[in-house]
Amino acid sequence: GQSLEQPSEVTAVEGAIVQINCTYQTSGFYGLSWYQQHDGGAPTFLSYNALDGLEETGRFSSFLSRSDSYGYLLLQELQMKDSASYFCAVRDPDDKIIFGKGTRLHILP
Amino acid sequence: KAGVTQTPRYLIKTRGQQVTLSCSPISGHRSVSWYQQTPGQGLQFLFEYFSETQRNKGNFPGRFSGRQFSNSRSEMNVSTLELGDSALYLCASSLAEGDGYTFGSGTRLTVV
Repeated sequence: GQSLEQPSEVTAVEGAIVQINCTYQTSGFYGLSWYQQHDGGAPTFLSYNALDGLEETGRFSSFLSRSDSYGYLLLQELQMKDSASYFCAVRDPDDKIIFGKGTRLHILP
Repeated sequence: KAGVTQTPRYLIKTRGQQVTLSCSPISGHRSVSWYQQTPGQGLQFLFEYFSETQRNKGNFPGRFSGRQFSNSRSEMNVSTLELGDSALYLCASSLAEGDGYTFGSGTRLTVV
């Protein structure tokens, strides 16, 4: 079936850079999105890649490569408030929205 | 602007009962989607509505249903509740695909 794979947890140091990968086993989809969710909160939209390449929004960047079935979210100058879960999501060819199971980002001082 | 509003925030129901959850999208957003979030399964897509029409549906049993009204407000209904239906139910609205979805705070449903 269609699925998105993400690491379950990633740990990084405050001020550093971290990359969260998302690989997918779905053929043909309409762009890759990323969401951030703090414990007890609702997911919030971070970025959307409609085409291959890099999209930059402040400290966050997102990349998509359709040929490699791969995308990633890059967080720079990590801050403690970036500790959260990060989800990638796509709309599959059946027009259903699929989310990865999420990556919990731990940031060490 | 006002965000996505979901009511109620918390709900406790007994097995076999039914429940209706409500979602008011951001003004002007005509697309509304629903998700079930549990620790083990993450965010699972339930269904999506656009202009009062169900656009698509996830892999959930027929006990899960929804609808959208002419003012874009949406409701989802779960009948014959099971213990496994305990979860956070999130609603999200969108103006366009590339704008991403804005989520409500969710309804925490506990089935006992």
